[in-house]
Amino acid sequence: EPEVTQTPSHQVTQMGQEVILRCVPISNHLYFYWYRQILGQKVEFLVSFYNNEISEKSEIFDDQFSVERPDGSNFTLKIRSTKLEDSAMYFCASSEAPVRRTGELFFGEGSRLTVL
Amino acid sequence: DAKTTQPNSMESNEEEPVHLPCNHSTISGTDYIHWYRQLPSQGPEYVIHGLTSNVNNRMASLAIAEDRKSSTLILHRATLRDAAVYYCILNRPHLVETSGSRLTFGEGTQLTVNP
Repeated sequence: EPEVTQTPSHQVTQMGQEVILRCVPISNHLYFYWYRQILGQKVEFLVSFYNNEISEKSEIFDDQFSVERPDGSNFTLKIRSTKLEDSAMYFCASSEAPVRRTGELFFGEGSRLTVL
Repeated sequence: DAKTTQPNSMESNEEEPVHLPCNHSTISGTDYIHWYRQLPSQGPEYVIHGLTSNVNNRMASLAIAEDRKSSTLILHRATLRDAAVYYCILNRPHLVETSGSRLTFGEGTQLTVNP
């Protein structure tokens, strides 16, 4: 069964460092997303991406965050200068069509980011 | 987005049916009802979604009240693998067809399945 894969599974970084989280969405999917979940808290939407541009972003997704689809297969989330409060599990997701039509987002297993 | 209310936790026995309720009294006519679940240490997983009619798939059934102010996710025979947090989410279609839509996760219902 096709799946969304994420790397690394766990990254530890120092505050202020740049971090790039990588995702390989399902190959025929066109819509891509990043969500995060701080330990013990809700899953929160960060950003959605379609046709090589951001289609929607949340208040969390400020200038420190950026997304890119550099080569047609990978989908990356960059955090420019990490803060302690960026420590969380980051989930990449993809879908074949808009959520309202299929309802189905496919999530990866997540990348745990720990900022010291 | 309209708010949903779910019990914090529920318990079930293995091989018995489970009915997970969700209240959404402020739902609008265009809101879809989505259910996702999150197994321990995993990403969320799609379960089912619907608009007005009841829906069935290989994982579960979704029963939607006639006034759409509540819905129930039905697992027909719970297994130990069904122990997870179950989220009921309302999704309003984006104005722009080609844009993705965010899902707003709440606290969900922690389902415990006893052997």
